[in-house]
Amino acid sequence: DVKVTQSSRYLVKRTGEKVFLECVQDMDHENMFWYRQDPGLGLRLIYFSYDVKMKEKGDIPEGYSVSREKKERFSLILESASTNQTSMYLCASRLYREGGTEAFFGQGTRLTVV
Amino acid sequence: AQSVAQPEDQVNVAEGNPLTVKCTYSVSGNPYLFWYVQYPNRGLQFLLKYITGDNLVKGSYGFEAEFNKSQTSFHLKKPSALVSDSALYFCAVRDGADSNYQLIWGAGTKLIIKP
Repeated sequence: DVKVTQSSRYLVKRTGEKVFLECVQDMDHENMFWYRQDPGLGLRLIYFSYDVKMKEKGDIPEGYSVSREKKERFSLILESASTNQTSMYLCASRLYREGGTEAFFGQGTRLTVV
Repeated sequence: AQSVAQPEDQVNVAEGNPLTVKCTYSVSGNPYLFWYVQYPNRGLQFLLKYITGDNLVKGSYGFEAEFNKSQTSFHLKKPSALVSDSALYFCAVRDGADSNYQLIWGAGTKLIIKP
């Protein structure tokens, strides 16, 4: 089975801190994604990556950056955390973008910024 | 514009009764449709998908969904609900004409199964 692992289940950070969320997948998937999930808003795409060192902005990239130096790892960076970034963050991977391949998700990181 | 609608924020069903969670979509090309389930404080798990072929798709945990092109719907169904089916369900669509291959997500429907 595909495994997508996020480095933390719960995080509490202070306003202004730089925050790193790590995600690792073990099935050689080309595509990786970062979403945030807020009640009533569904999943909103922050950034995605089709392959190593590639990144594309999603719907809400402001205040975030990403890094994909290795195929299996996709990092989300909050440059200067703010309270409005308190949310559930979900990482996902997908084999490739063509066709109807489904995405596999990590367990989520619930981030609280105080 | 591409969109997905899950018209019910919450669905309540008695255990043993059939359940339906509704999803409608709007895309310009052929749709690729997906259902995911999320248990409390967990990530999303893939349930089933429609890409092409038979309009009735069977998935995990006894769930199925029917693709209806004329009504642009992809409702999730199960003949007999279990208390353990209580969770948050998300519908998603990919527009076959979209070169970005991104998924468009519904807002989610909370399913509550009462014993």
